[in-house]
Amino acid sequence: SQTIHQWPATLVQPVGSPLSLECTVEGTSNPNLYWYRQAAGRGLQLLFYSVGIGQISSEVPQNLSASRPQDRQFILSSKKLLLSDSGFYLCAWSVRAPGELFFGEGSRLTVL
Amino acid sequence: LAKTTQPISMDSYEGQEVNITCSHNNIATNDYITWYQQFPSQGPRFIIQGYKTKVTNEVASLFIPADRKSSTLSLPRVSLSDTAVYYCLVVYGGATNKLIFGTGTLLAVQP
Repeated sequence: SQTIHQWPATLVQPVGSPLSLECTVEGTSNPNLYWYRQAAGRGLQLLFYSVGIGQISSEVPQNLSASRPQDRQFILSSKKLLLSDSGFYLCAWSVRAPGELFFGEGSRLTVL
Repeated sequence: LAKTTQPISMDSYEGQEVNITCSHNNIATNDYITWYQQFPSQGPRFIIQGYKTKVTNEVASLFIPADRKSSTLSLPRVSLSDTAVYYCLVVYGGATNKLIFGTGTLLAVQP
């Protein structure tokens, strides 16, 4: 069966520090991968999506970046965090269109 | 991509049927309508998907009129555990490359 894992689950970082959130999917091949962010009390904002290795599409201009070094690995990064980067980050995958999205457990980031 | 509009919040009581309507006026021919449920500090969970008329599964029903410009998620006999945010998405059937969530509807079920 397919599974998705995200880590770390919780992160507290100072402003200006770097960030790396990792997501891996098991049990499927060539998935579409997504990074979403949810600020407190808000809806889901699509940040990046990827249809294949090295193929990244950005939805919102910001100081975040994403990479897909392997078929089932998706990484969200930042060189210098801002206070506004705080939120709940969710990785998701899907296979067929218009198939359902499967979400990871989420990573809660607090920037102080 | 079709924009969706949902009520911000709804209240209900245990045992009642709840209907949440979503408006998607510019839905395209190849688009499907999908609903997700999200509990606090968790990722959204797929509930149901449909293209036209009516779809039913073990947890919900989805009603889509002939013009497909709106859809209604029906939850039969809700319980306290159904308190969550419900999202309506319009998904292009050709390729799932970009899935945009709207603001969702916060359903509060009271005893």
